[in-house]
Amino acid sequence: EAEVAQSPRYKITEKSQAVAFWCDPISGHATLYWYRQILGQGPELLVQFQDESVVDDSQLPKDRFSAERLKGVDSTLKIQPAELGDSAMYLCASSLLARYTDTQYFGPGTRLTVL
Amino acid sequence: AQSVSQHNHHVILSEAASLELGCNYSYGGTVNLFWYVQYPGQHLQLLLKYFSGDPLVKGIKGFEAEFIKSKFSFNLRKPSVQWSDTAEYFCAVLNRDDKIIFGKGTRLHILP
Repeated sequence: EAEVAQSPRYKITEKSQAVAFWCDPISGHATLYWYRQILGQGPELLVQFQDESVVDDSQLPKDRFSAERLKGVDSTLKIQPAELGDSAMYLCASSLLARYTDTQYFGPGTRLTVL
Repeated sequence: AQSVSQHNHHVILSEAASLELGCNYSYGGTVNLFWYVQYPGQHLQLLLKYFSGDPLVKGIKGFEAEFIKSKFSFNLRKPSVQWSDTAEYFCAVLNRDDKIIFGKGTRLHILP
């Protein structure tokens, strides 16, 4: 069964350092989402891509976060500089279509710890 | 702003007990509702969803949820739980901006 791949699975970094997360969606899925899940909370959408275009990044802290999906396939989420409050699980999801009503398939996540 | 409330943060049940996890949402318009589950060590996955029609929705693994518009609720139920149902369960609503808003989750622990 096809899955969403994410790497690394765990990342420990120091405050003010740069970190990057990678996501490879299910083949053929045009829509890709990045979520942040703080411990004890549900996932919160950071950015949504349709192919290579950003559809929604209203919740992305653009002063330090950036996301790209250059060829409309895999995607990278970057944080620079990392802050203590960025410690969380970063989830990637993909769906075949662009509608939120379409089933989203989640990856295993990257757990970030900022020291 | 739309929100989702899951009142039980941690539930402990014995095998064969009946389960009901509460979910209330604040959005008053047309709603699309979801339950997601995350089993230990596994990915978050869709359990069931409601868009329209029959308010009683059947999902995977014997789960069901009932949409009660007058109560703004979408509670998850299972008549007889198994140890393998131990997981974290998230209720979610699609808001008027077509964004999924997740609740804080309920950790369910089933005693063998």
